[in-house]
Amino acid sequence: GAVVSQHPSWVICKSGTSVKIECRSLDFQATTMFWYRQFPKQSLMLMATSNEGSKATYEQGVEKDKFLINHASLTLSTLTVTSAHPEDSSFYICSATDMNTEAFFGQGTRLTVV
Amino acid sequence: AQKITQTQPGMFVQEKEAVTLDCTYDTSDPSYGLFWYKQPSSGEMIFLIYQGSYDQQNATEGRYSLNFQKARKSANLVISASQLGDSAMYFCAMREGTYNQGGKLIFGQGTELSVKP
Repeated sequence: GAVVSQHPSWVICKSGTSVKIECRSLDFQATTMFWYRQFPKQSLMLMATSNEGSKATYEQGVEKDKFLINHASLTLSTLTVTSAHPEDSSFYICSATDMNTEAFFGQGTRLTVV
Repeated sequence: AQKITQTQPGMFVQEKEAVTLDCTYDTSDPSYGLFWYKQPSSGEMIFLIYQGSYDQQNATEGRYSLNFQKARKSANLVISASQLGDSAMYFCAMREGTYNQGGKLIFGQGTELSVKP
């Protein structure tokens, strides 16, 4: 199956700093990528949908200035958590599709803000 | 309104027995897809099985089968001959329409399955 690589797999950062998470499709062109957030023992909540070359579409209640998403190429989307605070600590996971196949998930990133 | 509902927060099953994980959904779109994913403690999302709304037969993939009851809007996952390695969180998900039509994968609350030796 298709491979989606997410990096880093875990990160610890200080409160007030920004963290960038990368999501790469390794063997297909991902026209659309999805970013999810998951708190422990809870479901995956869709944060935003990003299409290559255009602005991301954010779900209701997600702060676009807080969670910056860039999808500059067909193989890379990035999520930047700006001015991170402890409440932003969570598991972030991306998925990617070329529209013709099902979406494939990255391995996820555990973010801890201290 | 919750579009995907999993009513079993946790389930136990004896090794080698079969188990059914419940999932109900709500949509007015005639074209949709239903998915089941397994999430072990590592966090990765492992695709298990897919059922399209127009598929006439229930989907099967090895030990996994999807009991699709369209009129009842249910898509239960059946795992046969449970193994210790099946212990994980299981998520039901739905996509309304296609990705080309702006479809998004929406997840249920999840069921934590524990397989007892």
